[in-house]
Amino acid sequence: NAGVTQTPKFQVLKTGQSMTLQCAQDMNHNSMYWYRQDPGMGLRLIYYSASEGTTDKGEVPNGYNVSRLNKREFSLRLESAAPSQTSVYFCASSGGQLSYEQYFGPGTRLTVT
Amino acid sequence: GESVGLHLPTLSVQEGDNSIINCAYSNSASDYFIWYKQESGKGPQFIIDIRSNMDKRQGQRVTVLLNKTVKHLSLQIAATQPGDSAVYFCAENLNARGSYIPTFGRGTSLIVHP
Repeated sequence: NAGVTQTPKFQVLKTGQSMTLQCAQDMNHNSMYWYRQDPGMGLRLIYYSASEGTTDKGEVPNGYNVSRLNKREFSLRLESAAPSQTSVYFCASSGGQLSYEQYFGPGTRLTVT
Repeated sequence: GESVGLHLPTLSVQEGDNSIINCAYSNSASDYFIWYKQESGKGPQFIIDIRSNMDKRQGQRVTVLLNKTVKHLSLQIAATQPGDSAVYFCAENLNARGSYIPTFGRGTSLIVHP
């Protein structure tokens, strides 16, 4: 099992550009999440998907959109990137034996200039 | 603002010492509390959890204590090793629409000196 995979690992964008961060899990988990992590901070929830076909806003959803493409994949889109969105983005999934335990991907380091 | 916070952002210990990392939470309705370990350049990894109806849980070299009276959580690591060096996060979890939504604290950086 690969667990949770994210692409790309690194990305540099200019202000106003758009991009989509991809996330996939092979653990048959129902729930998936997107977080951002800024230096010296904990993880802040952007959006989550409790199950295929549903998405909900987290703590910091502004400037982002998500798509739960199927049970495996959950993508995060930045329509018009801003320097304030420079961060490390983590995708996670849950729904195993401990339904609240989250499995995290390796992260995407995004810089917006 | 954040509902989960840590008292000590950085903790330095000598190899072999015991480490204690503290965390305060604010939501008395949280169902589960989890400690995660994040090594440099990686995503957080589950260490140990405790349910809200417990006050202590032990794992391998780790113990989590929960004090609901003062809304305090701690992680104790016995005989700390250099491989324990990482950032540790506590997270409180609420069940929302069948999905557990965690709130993370800022994290404590544990530095273990050989």
